Amino acid sequence: EDKVVQSPLSLVVHEGDTVTLNCSYEVTNFRSLLWYKQEKKAPTFLFMLTSSGIEKKSGRLSSILDKKELFSILNITATQTGDSAVYLCADYSGAGSYQLTFGKGTKLSVIP
Amino acid sequence: GAGVSQSPSNKVTEKGKDVELRCDPISGHTALYWYRQSLGQGLEFLIYFQGNSAPDKSGLPSDRFSAERTGGSVSTLTIQRTQQEDSAVYLCASSLNSPQNTGELFFGEGSRLTVL
Repeated sequence: EDKVVQSPLSLVVHEGDTVTLNCSYEVTNFRSLLWYKQEKKAPTFLFMLTSSGIEKKSGRLSSILDKKELFSILNITATQTGDSAVYLCADYSGAGSYQLTFGKGTKLSVIP
Repeated sequence: GAGVSQSPSNKVTEKGKDVELRCDPISGHTALYWYRQSLGQGLEFLIYFQGNSAPDKSGLPSDRFSAERTGGSVSTLTIQRTQQEDSAVYLCASSLNSPQNTGELFFGEGSRLTVL
């Protein structure tokens, strides 16, 4: 059973559209929820969320965490072709040995 | 170097051969992780090293997989008697890890393994 579930698995939008990516996770020993962007090889860090209801923002990207409902969303406004990537959500949790458990990712394709 | 370095970047091998993949983490990072990413899949946790503690090997898929980390720095992931299902990108990541740190990982570019 997957601990971190992302939806949708893939998404195709036109430039300028706004997208919302979803991530649900399990609560066991939860410490934080992270978002990464993977364009070709190495995932790069976007956001780390630890508190409910506090939006993190970076340019056109923003993210928020709901610890009651155990999910997070990543919003991208005014999408550009350069936003095309796989967006990975990860739950950072553990008892003694902390590790990131990743979801399968959402593949976003932004077409001109 | 400034980032996580992995080698080789690409490895093609024949079924049954052993392979070694190397990871050089960011200097000063005490935590080192290995993940595997198969085509179209998310990142699958393999093994985690933290300082001098015993590694968390709970993600290793079989006893053909092993990893070591020498001197708290460079790590080698070894796959013995490779099978075709081992074909994947193997990603290494490091972090400044402490109970107060909540987990940003810095990834290498990965080693793409193809088993024929």
